[in-house]
Amino acid sequence: AQKVTQAQTEISVVEKEDVTLDCVYETRDTTYYLFWYKQPPSGELVFLIRRNSFDEQNEISGRYSWNFQKSTSSFNFTITASQVVDSAVYFCALRRATNKLIFGTGTLLAVQP
Amino acid sequence: KAGVTQTPRYLIKTRGQQVTLSCSPISGHRSVSWYQQTPGQGLQFLFEYFSETQRNKGNFPGRFSGRQFSNSRSEMNVSTLELGDSALYLCASSTDRGPLNYGYTFGSGTRLTVV
Repeated sequence: AQKVTQAQTEISVVEKEDVTLDCVYETRDTTYYLFWYKQPPSGELVFLIRRNSFDEQNEISGRYSWNFQKSTSSFNFTITASQVVDSAVYFCALRRATNKLIFGTGTLLAVQP
Repeated sequence: KAGVTQTPRYLIKTRGQQVTLSCSPISGHRSVSWYQQTPGQGLQFLFEYFSETQRNKGNFPGRFSGRQFSNSRSEMNVSTLELGDSALYLCASSTDRGPLNYGYTFGSGTRLTVV
C-alpha cells in the first residue's frame, strides 16, 4: 500500500526559530517521487521541492532544507529562521509511476511574531 | 507565464443539482489532474486527463466525471450533488515527461458549497 504520514498536525513557533516538518512514506516501488507543497490561506498548493527515489542528495535552498533518507522512508523539511509568511499548511506527497499524488494529512505551521 | 486558472472561484449549489468546474492548464502542459480537498478526507485524487483521454482515476463514485478538450483545458462535472461534495476542488497541470516530470502546478481551486 502507498501511504504518506505526517504525524505533526500543528506546530507553533516564534519567528526566527528553526522548525522541522516530518514526513514518513510507504511504498513497495523502487522508483517513486516525493514532494513538498505549501498551502497558504488562499488555497493554492505551492510546489516547494521534488525528490526522486534514486537521488538521496539533500539540499539547502535559502532558508529551506530537505533530508531524504530511504533507509527510514523519511523526507523531512526544515525551515531555518522561520518568518510569519511561512505560516501555512505543508503537505508531503508521494507519486509512483502514474501521475497521481498521494498526500499526507498536512501540518499546520503557525509562526508567531 | 500564466498559471493554472480555475473557474469559478466559489460556487454554492443545492443538493441534487449538478455542477461543472473548469481548469485551464499552463500553456504547453498536456496533463491535467483533479483533486478534492475536505477537512475529513484531506486531499484525494479524482482523475487525470492526458491528450483528451482519462488516464487515471481515483476512488470516487460515477457522479464525478471529467473531460479534456483539444486545447488541454479540462472540466469536471459532479451530478446529483450531495452535502458531502462540499470541498475545495484543485486542478493541477504538468508537462508529463514521465520520470522527468518536474512537478505539478496547482490552481487556486474552486470552493464548492452544497446546501
